Amino acid sequence: QVQLQESGPGLVKPSQTLSLTCTVSGGSISSGDYYWSWIRQPAGKGLEWIGRIYTSGNTDYNPSLKSRVTMSLDTSKNQFSLKVTSVTAADTAVYYCARDVGSSTLKFDYWGQGALVTVSS
Amino acid sequence: EIVMTQTPLSLSVTPGQPASISCKSSQSLLHGDGQTYLCWYLQRAGQPPQLLIHGASNRFSGVPDRFSGSGSGTDFTLKISRVEAEDVGVYYCMQCIQLPYTFGQGTKLEIK
Repeated sequence: QVQLQESGPGLVKPSQTLSLTCTVSGGSISSGDYYWSWIRQPAGKGLEWIGRIYTSGNTDYNPSLKSRVTMSLDTSKNQFSLKVTSVTAADTAVYYCARDVGSSTLKFDYWGQGALVTVSS
Repeated sequence: EIVMTQTPLSLSVTPGQPASISCKSSQSLLHGDGQTYLCWYLQRAGQPPQLLIHGASNRFSGVPDRFSGSGSGTDFTLKISRVEAEDVGVYYCMQCIQLPYTFGQGTKLEIK
């Protein structure tokens, strides 16, 4: 059974960098036809796909955030990470990590519980 | 990007009665491989979304058979044959044929 768990600071100051890590257990992030995605949800609002990183390290980002987002893999720790630079209050949200099966209609079959990140001084 | 539009945005259903949610996409979700790239999720309060349906009509492992998905091209429907109390939450459709993946606004289901 694959499990994902987000971790990182819950409070980030405006203009600084948001950094989150997703730890995966029950499977290797560097094998298989999988993308590892980040999705966020402001309080009381809908879901926004931020981007994804493939097992090879290739990335795809949402154009709405592309200039500020970086994703990476740490295969030694079976983790992947998200960085969002120059954050504002609009980046306050619950951030989820999730697995996306590559060559399939099966998307986001496993999710983390979510990490609330608040942008405030 | 592809715009996903759900209706209604909320519905109230008596236990044991059926429920239906519509999702329309601004572009066809039928891929050249013959598959349709449309998923449905349920998000219960305080929980991450959970996958219900993928490929427009394929129930994910462990999803009760009272949930069914249908549709093609740009018009899709999620049906619950007999609503139960545990079905309360917000339902989202999502297209995954084109990046960026995009979600509908969500439909809140509550029990009467």
